[in-house]
Formats: sequence, structure tokens, C-alpha cells
Amino acid sequence: KAGVTQTPRYLIKTRGQQVTLSCSPISGHRSVSWYQQTPGQGLQFLFEYFSETQRNKGNFPGRFSGRQFSNSRSEMNVSTLELGDSALYLCASRPGETDSYEQYFGPGTRLTVT
Amino acid sequence: LAKTTQPISMDSYEGQEVNITCSHNNIATNDYITWYQQFPSQGPRFIIQGYKTKVTNEVASLFIPADRKSSTLSLPRVSLSDTAVYYCLVGVTNQGGKLIFGQGTELSVKP
Repeated sequence: KAGVTQTPRYLIKTRGQQVTLSCSPISGHRSVSWYQQTPGQGLQFLFEYFSETQRNKGNFPGRFSGRQFSNSRSEMNVSTLELGDSALYLCASRPGETDSYEQYFGPGTRLTVT
Repeated sequence: LAKTTQPISMDSYEGQEVNITCSHNNIATNDYITWYQQFPSQGPRFIIQGYKTKVTNEVASLFIPADRKSSTLSLPRVSLSDTAVYYCLVGVTNQGGKLIFGQGTELSVKP
């Protein structure tokens, strides 16, 4: 099976702009979660989508949003970018019908905000 | 989720067995113990998960004592490619996609 894919892999944006990141989960997986990783804060959970519905959310401002499509692909949007949003954004997929901790992560999108 | 404590870093040599211990004194009855591996600029990779006693798969073993207040990830005969950060996670499975990672253990394998 193909793994989790994320596009783009690298992105440079300017403060105030918005950005959309894409994640394609492993075939058959219905759950997609998003994480932000920075050297200072480590890996932080953003939100989880399952069958096109957000069912779990971390402690991030409303500028961070997401959605999931009927084919389980997911997008994450960050509006009004701030310098502190520079990070590695990771998505992870799992079947989702159970609550196992076994997730499969993509390679991430490296976002740099200038 | 239970708080975990791991060594910040560890050094080893190729061919040696490496044991990384994680302390989780306030683990709850329903909590599972899960380990992930992460290489620089990549997403974490699931290694192993267990509840009690010993679990073994093709890459690692997980030892959990009877009181479950700690766990040890054992990597047999490490190679240079095992140099990575290893995270111990403890929590109930009904947290779903919400994984909370601690600071992890940075393992450095030398030739």
C-alpha cells in the first residue's frame, strides 16, 4: 500500500497570507489527524477528521482549520499567517473505527513564514 | 494522559542492544503504552504498543513490569540507521487521534 502523502513538501509564505496544505491518507483509512512540530513546542495535535467530520480538536486558534473530503483526503488551512506558524506540519492516518494509537505519518510539509 | 519521563539522550555503538526506559508513575488502569520513532524532518513511525508483560515484533521488544509504572523499549543489535528520537506515549486508547508526545529520547548510534 502507498503511504501517507503530503503536498507540498516545502512552502514559503509571507506574514498575513493564508496557506492550504493537503494530505492523502493510506487507502482504506478514514481518520486523518494533523500535527504541528516546532523545536520549541515539540509535536502538538491540531485536529482529527473522520468520515468528513471533525471529531477531536487541539488548542490552536481559529486561524487553523481543516476539512476532509469523501475520499478521506484532508486539507488544512492557516489564515493570516504569523511568524510563529513556521513549522513542520504532519498528517497521520489510521483506520479510525477503533481508537488504537497506531497511526501512520506522512513526510510533512515544511512551512516557513517570512 | 499520564505524564512520561524519558532520558533526554543516549549513546550506543553498532551491534549493541539498546534499552530505553520510560517512567509513567500515574498510569491508569486502561492506559496503553506506545512507542514511536522519528528521524529528522520526517513524521513519527509507530514501533510497538503494549499493555502488560512483554510484547515483541520484528523491530523491537517492549517490557512492562507488573506495576506498569515504567516500560522499557529494547532495540536489538542497533545500527547507524537507528539514530533517531524515540517517544513513549501513555494513555487510554479512546483519545483517538489526539497523540500527546513528550520530549523523547535522542538515540545516537556510533560506528
